[in-house]
Amino acid sequence: DTEVTQTPKHLVMGMTNKKSLKCEQHMGHRAMYWYKQKAKKPPELMFVYSYEKLSINESVPSRFSPECPNSSLLNLHLHALQPEDSALYLCASRPGQGIDTEAFFGQGTRLTVV
Amino acid sequence: GNSVTQMEGPVTLSEEAFLTINCTYTATGYPSLFWYVQYPGEGLQLLLKATKADDKGSNKGFEATYRKETTSFHLEKGSVQVSDSAVYFCALGGDSSYKLIFGSGTRLLVRP
Repeated sequence: DTEVTQTPKHLVMGMTNKKSLKCEQHMGHRAMYWYKQKAKKPPELMFVYSYEKLSINESVPSRFSPECPNSSLLNLHLHALQPEDSALYLCASRPGQGIDTEAFFGQGTRLTVV
Repeated sequence: GNSVTQMEGPVTLSEEAFLTINCTYTATGYPSLFWYVQYPGEGLQLLLKATKADDKGSNKGFEATYRKETTSFHLEKGSVQVSDSAVYFCALGGDSSYKLIFGSGTRLLVRP
């Protein structure tokens, strides 16, 4: 199993809603990532979890709250988002810190904030 | 800090034409280099990688050689197909953090 599974695939939410994005991998990878991708732009790193601990937060606003309940799961909790937060949110995983290891990406959640 | 620079797109080619997408990098140490491809509406897929100088990564007819002397990792394919139309990202991974740094992406459009 070399998949990273993200749910839901599409999400529309109002600015006062609370929602969560989910990501799951069963490859035994110890690093997991959230990226945000706007149209025609490269992915922008938001958070990195290493061995279930938050290791990188790229100064992301607090309306985005990541959580890593166990080594296979990664959540992104959303609250009070703005329309400009509409984007494709990508989850990725990587075996560990080895520099020669590639990241495996999920298909993404297309988020629209109305 | 580490960075990746890719050629601006879009690149428009006819089917069976030769493809080159340029990628150069700035990094300390000895990073690994990757090419990812993103088809419309999808996530990123690894296309190929190279982990040390002079390594050549290859997959599905695409190739790229890790050139330390020119700090480059250009993507090439001898004969493109319509199905190769996508956005291609060059990426660098290799410092003590877990970061994977992406170039700006190059859109490829192949016409029949």
